[in-house]
Amino acid sequence: NAGVTQTPKFQVLKTGQSMTLQCAQDMNHNSMYWYRQDPGMGLRLIYYSASEGTTDKGEVPNGYNVSRLNKREFSLRLESAAPSQTSVYFCASNRANQPQHFGDGTRLSIL
Amino acid sequence: GEDVEQSLFLSVREGDSSVINCTYTDSSSTYLYWYKQEPGAGLQLLTYIFSNMDMKQDQRLTVLLNKKDKHLSLRIADTQTGDSAIYFCAESPTSGTYKYIFGTGTRLKVLA
Repeated sequence: NAGVTQTPKFQVLKTGQSMTLQCAQDMNHNSMYWYRQDPGMGLRLIYYSASEGTTDKGEVPNGYNVSRLNKREFSLRLESAAPSQTSVYFCASNRANQPQHFGDGTRLSIL
Repeated sequence: GEDVEQSLFLSVREGDSSVINCTYTDSSSTYLYWYKQEPGAGLQLLTYIFSNMDMKQDQRLTVLLNKKDKHLSLRIADTQTGDSAIYFCAESPTSGTYKYIFGTGTRLKVLA
């Protein structure tokens, strides 16, 4: 099993550009999450999807949108990238009350 | 509000034991987790403990939970250079949400 797969692994954008980060899991998990990781700040939740068809804001949702395309896929979109969104983005998934499983991350730089 | 705190750095010599500490605030937490992150990689689940347990052991890893003080620790016995990484503590509140609260991570450096 691949687990949680994120694409792309690296991306450089210019300020104002848009892009979508993709995430897919093959573990039949109901819940999926997007986090960002910044130095000294741990992981902060951007959005999550408790189940297919639902999405909710996390701690730092501003500047992002998400789509739970189906049970497997949960995408994160930056409509107009800003330098403050330079970060490492992680997708995770789990079943209720079970540990979250993480992808390897997308390293995003915005110039 | 909910918060999880960890010290930022720990340095130990190869072969010694490492103890990484974490404090949390949510008294209703059901699950407490330890994750390991190696450079350039995602978070790897090491172990987790239910809040009705005091201790859990898994090979070189021992997790201790002091519910009264809301203190969680991860002990790594016979620490190896391959254990050098960032270790994250996380709690899963039982408020009906699915959200984890992560600590800022402890960077463990193992000296040969």
